[in-house]
Amino acid sequence: NAGVMQNPRHLVRRRGQEARLRCSPMKGHSHVYWYRQLPEEGLKFMVYLQKENIIDESGMPKERFSAEFPKEGPSILRIQQVVRGDSAAYFCASSPVPTDYGYTFGSGTRLTVV
Amino acid sequence: TQLLEQSPQFLSIQEGENLTVYCNSSSVFSSLQWYRQEPGEGPVLLVTVVTGGEVKKLKRLTFQFGDARKDSSLHITAAQPGDTGLYLCAGAKSGAGSYQLTFGKGTKLSVIP
Repeated sequence: NAGVMQNPRHLVRRRGQEARLRCSPMKGHSHVYWYRQLPEEGLKFMVYLQKENIIDESGMPKERFSAEFPKEGPSILRIQQVVRGDSAAYFCASSPVPTDYGYTFGSGTRLTVV
Repeated sequence: TQLLEQSPQFLSIQEGENLTVYCNSSSVFSSLQWYRQEPGEGPVLLVTVVTGGEVKKLKRLTFQFGDARKDSSLHITAAQPGDTGLYLCAGAKSGAGSYQLTFGKGTKLSVIP
């Protein structure tokens, strides 16, 4: 595992469709963080998960967005009924323990809603 | 709400010049991180500073954390085209929720050969 793997790299969805973004953390990392980068904006925290648990979802929009990190498999960020304003780059990061010392980020998924 | 202001927003310089970019806040952070992001990629961690007044060097890059842990600077000596990219600073708050980073909007650096 060379690093944090995100797929797809690019995703195009029509308004009203669902978007599923996947994140496989680095080997040995059980803590996953999702951030969103809107055009010309800084990265904004969305959610922090451990295996099978959502620890902090204070940055997630209340409606249409959900995240999970199952016991097996990647973390999933799910956006239902996408709107144009959801177009952004979504980044996942992981760490072996909860940390304020810096993350390893994936390359991101660029979501375009048409 | 904690905010991080980065300046300048854009910087275009000739190869070989020196430059400094700044990251300022009215809030105190337990640590401050600098990342570099290239187009189409995720941020890559360059350094983390945790102690007020701390200075860290990474080859031609020098990072400083302010004494009050509210601000930071990144100085690049003899810039090279490979230094081109978006430089982001990110702060972690103290206590519970310290994993949640606050990012600045970044300084977009272009180094012209």
